[in-house]
Amino acid sequence: ETGVTQTPRHLVMGMTNKKSLKCEQHLGHNAMYWYKQSAKKPLELMFVYSLEERVENNSVPSRFSPECPNSSHLFLHLHTLQPEDSALYLCASSQEGLMGHINEQFFGPGTRLTVL
Amino acid sequence: GQNIDQPTEMTATEGAIVQINCTYQTSGFNGLFWYQQHAGEAPTFLSYNVLDGLEEKGRFSSFLSRSKGYSYLLLKELQMKDSASYLCADMDSNYQLIWGAGTKLIIKP
Repeated sequence: ETGVTQTPRHLVMGMTNKKSLKCEQHLGHNAMYWYKQSAKKPLELMFVYSLEERVENNSVPSRFSPECPNSSHLFLHLHTLQPEDSALYLCASSQEGLMGHINEQFFGPGTRLTVL
Repeated sequence: GQNIDQPTEMTATEGAIVQINCTYQTSGFNGLFWYQQHAGEAPTFLSYNVLDGLEEKGRFSSFLSRSKGYSYLLLKELQMKDSASYLCADMDSNYQLIWGAGTKLIIKP
């Protein structure tokens, strides 16, 4: 148990569907992240929220829309996705701003997304 | 630029020692992380190096040379459960992690 949960674990959707991925962290952290993990590729950072404000958006297409209603919850809203968006979507959290702290990221188990 | 290189796959024998190398080239540096990821599971933190030298933690050790942009993860007394992908990541000047593609380690009996 890493303290970061994600739902659903698996999702199959058509290109015209709208769905949302949910992430919840129970660690009291103040930063949350969305990553995309494709086979044999590095983890791609998509979005970073620090203190509930988006601080990073790595040129992610607008068909991905994040939402961070509070420091414990993070959503990724999906619409009109493409087959190449099929991947594992990982959520992570960390505690930022502590001097001398490692600030390692704790990951959720991911949502395996398949776009048909 | 930002680039992390590590071997795609390695094979080792149960009980042996294996060293997984990682080289990085980033515009800023705030430490080097190693994570372990079993198939279908979340990456989990293994180690962090920000100063040169070797950090030992049980069967796992991690080494860093900042001047060479080089790190390695050393796994001793390999066990079957060590079969996993090992991800190298360096923290850049914005405190964001830049990830390698991971090294899939296969342990054979």
